[in-house]
Amino acid sequence: EVQLVQSGAEVKTPGESLKISCKGSGYNFRTYWIAWVRQMPGKGLEWMGIIYPGDSDTRYSSSFQGQVTISADKSITTAYLQWSSLKASDTAMYYCAILETITGPFDYWGQGTLVTVSS
Amino acid sequence: NFMLTQPHSVSESPGKTVTISCTRSSGSIASNYVQWYQQRPGSAPTTVIYEDDQRPSGVPDRFSGSIDSSSNSASLTISGLKTEDEADYYCQSYDSSFMVFGGGTKLTVL
Repeated sequence: EVQLVQSGAEVKTPGESLKISCKGSGYNFRTYWIAWVRQMPGKGLEWMGIIYPGDSDTRYSSSFQGQVTISADKSITTAYLQWSSLKASDTAMYYCAILETITGPFDYWGQGTLVTVSS
Repeated sequence: NFMLTQPHSVSESPGKTVTISCTRSSGSIASNYVQWYQQRPGSAPTTVIYEDDQRPSGVPDRFSGSIDSSSNSASLTISGLKTEDEADYYCQSYDSSFMVFGGGTKLTVL
């Protein structure tokens, strides 16, 4: 059974750093793309970026380039999304999702990680 | 990059048919596959249509997808509406290493 298990909810203050995770199991971690998707409160889905764990090929949406870092550790089948300095506007639900091909559908989704940034 | 534009909301009665559109702002709608996702409140999205008109296993055949090059748009049609279909629906496509989501359509079944 394919599973994507994301790390738990986070409450942070502006300026703090954060790294959230997405652990994959039940499939070949190296050969599926992993994407991160943001959903701000009451808003729609936004694609942030994507990584291919097999060779670490990483691509970012122009809206998120330079704002976040996406990485993956094949040895523990886990992908990460990190911020060096959070802003209140980063408050959102963050989903990871996997795709077999970069042009294809999101095949499976994680349960989401709620990040709240507030002073 | 391009944008995908969806109506903000649609509503219809149980048993009826509803169609949600997704219009591509530039480039051909046919140049890259379109997917549709359903998101119920408090849940992660799930795929209801992929590759323009394909249905994942487990998705009822009441859900269908199509594209129309003349209007440069994709459509999701849900027939025989049920109250459980009430959700947000998002179209999604891809171009040159970038994925794009539509803004989402809230379907109310009343």
